[in-house]
Amino acid sequence: DTGVSQNPRHKITKRGQNVTFRCDPISEHNRLYWYRQTLGQGPEFLTYFQNEAQLEKSRLLSDRFSAERPKGSFSTLEIQRTEQGDSAMYLCASTAGGYNEQFFGPGTRLTVL
Amino acid sequence: AQKITQTQPGMFVQEKEAVTLDCTYDTSDQSYGLFWYKQPSSGEMIFLIYQGSYDEQNATEGRYSLNFQKARKSANLVISASQLGDSAMYFCAMREGPGGGADGLTFGKGTHLIIQP
Repeated sequence: DTGVSQNPRHKITKRGQNVTFRCDPISEHNRLYWYRQTLGQGPEFLTYFQNEAQLEKSRLLSDRFSAERPKGSFSTLEIQRTEQGDSAMYLCASTAGGYNEQFFGPGTRLTVL
Repeated sequence: AQKITQTQPGMFVQEKEAVTLDCTYDTSDQSYGLFWYKQPSSGEMIFLIYQGSYDEQNATEGRYSLNFQKARKSANLVISASQLGDSAMYFCAMREGPGGGADGLTFGKGTHLIIQP
């Protein structure tokens, strides 16, 4: 399978704990995006990487959120001191020059108890 | 103001009928892109169709076509000959600015389409 992969697919945590999600984009895609989708809503943009550089961050990305993309390959999204409002599906997407569309992964569903 | 508005929270359509899903957008950029994605109950986002703001022809991809009315700022998705497998959430999205995928997409709230046999 050469699509975008995300791990874990599901994560249940207690409020106050830290969590980290991983996204592996399609090989050779230099652009990577993180989105958050809550129940009944469309995805909301969080942040964007071009290669290893984080070029854009949404106001939704509070100080408790941090994202990295070392070496311009996979990316991680960490949420510190999770809150119940962080419960959502976290989607990763990738693309490359020459494409208009973003290719989405299956998402990581986070539940904060 | 909402950048992407989808006014139909849910739609029921008989199998084999054509269906139109509405989408209006708001941007002051001259260069932008419009997208439709399908999200089945399994959760993955599936790209359906893209329309660039400078494209003169309406985009078509198989049974999907995008009815692009620039002056009205609308980008409706038309699905011809609907099938049971078309039942899903459908999201309209916009990328503002020039192409190349550099900007995050802004999504609407979606339309839940149910195809009835």
